[in-house]
Amino acid sequence: DGGITQSPKYLFRKEGQNVTLSCEQNLNHDAMYWYRQDPGQGLRLIYYSQIVNDFQKGDIAEGYSVSREKKESFPLTVTSAQKNPTAFYLCASSISTGAEAFFGQGTRLTVV
Amino acid sequence: QKEVEQDPGPLSVPEGAIVSLNCTYSNSAFQYFMWYRQYSRKGPELLMYTYSSGNKEDGRFTAQVDKSSKYISLFIRDSQPSDSATYLCAMSAGAYNFNKFYFGSGTKLNVKP
Repeated sequence: DGGITQSPKYLFRKEGQNVTLSCEQNLNHDAMYWYRQDPGQGLRLIYYSQIVNDFQKGDIAEGYSVSREKKESFPLTVTSAQKNPTAFYLCASSISTGAEAFFGQGTRLTVV
Repeated sequence: QKEVEQDPGPLSVPEGAIVSLNCTYSNSAFQYFMWYRQYSRKGPELLMYTYSSGNKEDGRFTAQVDKSSKYISLFIRDSQPSDSATYLCAMSAGAYNFNKFYFGSGTKLNVKP
């Protein structure tokens, strides 16, 4: 089955800890994205990558970091510098940036 | 002014009704338009993808784009309780170079049996 897999589904983190969210796709897409979704708000772009070994900041990149060492993988690290990390995180991919995007099932991060 | 405006609802309809969901936008450069369905605590699922103006139909779903009015619609015929979800519109200016997606905030739909 082709698709985007995010793991874990639920994640709990203590304040002051870094945590990494996994995103893997087998759609052979070049572009990958990370979004954050908060209740009552639309999706906000954290980081995007148009191609392997390249990534760019989105609208709310502060406190986050990413890597894109493989085409299939685009992990997101939520660092201790992110002031309000509790949110629903969504990874997406598309054949190229701006083309139709497909989403994973999301990771719900809670800071305890 | 937001790039994309979408009524948050909630919109409540009886089973079998025709549902109309809408978004307006301000950027005339948008050419690609998408509708997503998102169930609670799940990722958005792509329903429809259209380019430029016109209509596109897929089963009970019809997407309509009116670029002159900067207005897009999603119609759901014979609505079912399983259609109860939040519907997000999204759009972009192009498929090459980085053209980011602009999302509406979503309309929550409730179809009552």
